[in-house]
Amino acid sequence: DQQVKQNSPSLSVQEGRISILNCDYTNSMFDYFLWYKKYPAEGPTFLISISSIKDKNEDGRFTVFLNKSAKHLSLHIVPSQPGDSAVYFCAASATTSGTYKYIFGTGTRLKVLA
Amino acid sequence: DGGITQSPKYLFRKEGQNVTLSCEQNLNHDAMYWYRQDPGQGLRLIYYSQIVNDFQKGDIAEGYSVSREKKESFPLTVTSAQKNPTAFYLCASSPTGTGYQPQHFGDGTRLSIL
Repeated sequence: DQQVKQNSPSLSVQEGRISILNCDYTNSMFDYFLWYKKYPAEGPTFLISISSIKDKNEDGRFTVFLNKSAKHLSLHIVPSQPGDSAVYFCAASATTSGTYKYIFGTGTRLKVLA
Repeated sequence: DGGITQSPKYLFRKEGQNVTLSCEQNLNHDAMYWYRQDPGQGLRLIYYSQIVNDFQKGDIAEGYSVSREKKESFPLTVTSAQKNPTAFYLCASSPTGTGYQPQHFGDGTRLSIL
C-alpha cells in the first residue's frame, strides 16, 4: 500500500513559469513532510520541509503548501529555471515508537523548457 | 567538504555471491540509513542505525545485512538470499535518529547481476 503518492510521473513547464508538483498521502499520523530534488546518478538533496502545524513554508523560489484535511501537499517553484529539471520526491514521516522514518513517493520528473 | 561517500559507484554481482556496499560519512551524524530505489518506485528503507553498535530492520531487510562498528561507517551487504538485488542503493545520514531532520544522501551505488 503506497502511503505517499505522486500521481504525475512527469511534468513539463516553460522557463519562467510556475511549476506545481503534487503529493498525496493516506496516513493521518504523518506530521512532517519534505521535498527532495534528485539529478541523474546522484543522491537526492533536501529542498524544503513543512511540519503539520503549518500550512505553508517558503524558501526563495520554493514554496510548499500543506492541506491536512485533503492529505495533500504541493511544491511550487516560481519562476522555473532550466536547472530545476530533475526528479522531485516528497517524503512524509510520523513518530513510531520514537523512531523517525520517512516514506517516499515515487517521484515526479520535472523538465523546464528554455 | 563534509558529506557522504558511497563506493563503488557501479558494482556487478555474480549469482550466489555476497557483495558489500560501502558508506562513509564525515558529518559526525549519529543516524545512518540504507535505501533501495527501483524504477518507478520511491525509496524504500532497508536498514537504519540510530547509534553505533545498534541497527534496526527497515521495510525490506530480507536478504541484506549491515554493521555499525564505527560512527562514520555503515556498510551494507547484499547476500545471495536477496533474489532481486539489481537496484540503485542510497545511503543517508542525519544528525540524530530522533526529531525531524532532513537526511543527507550519498550519490548511490548501482548494483547489477552478471
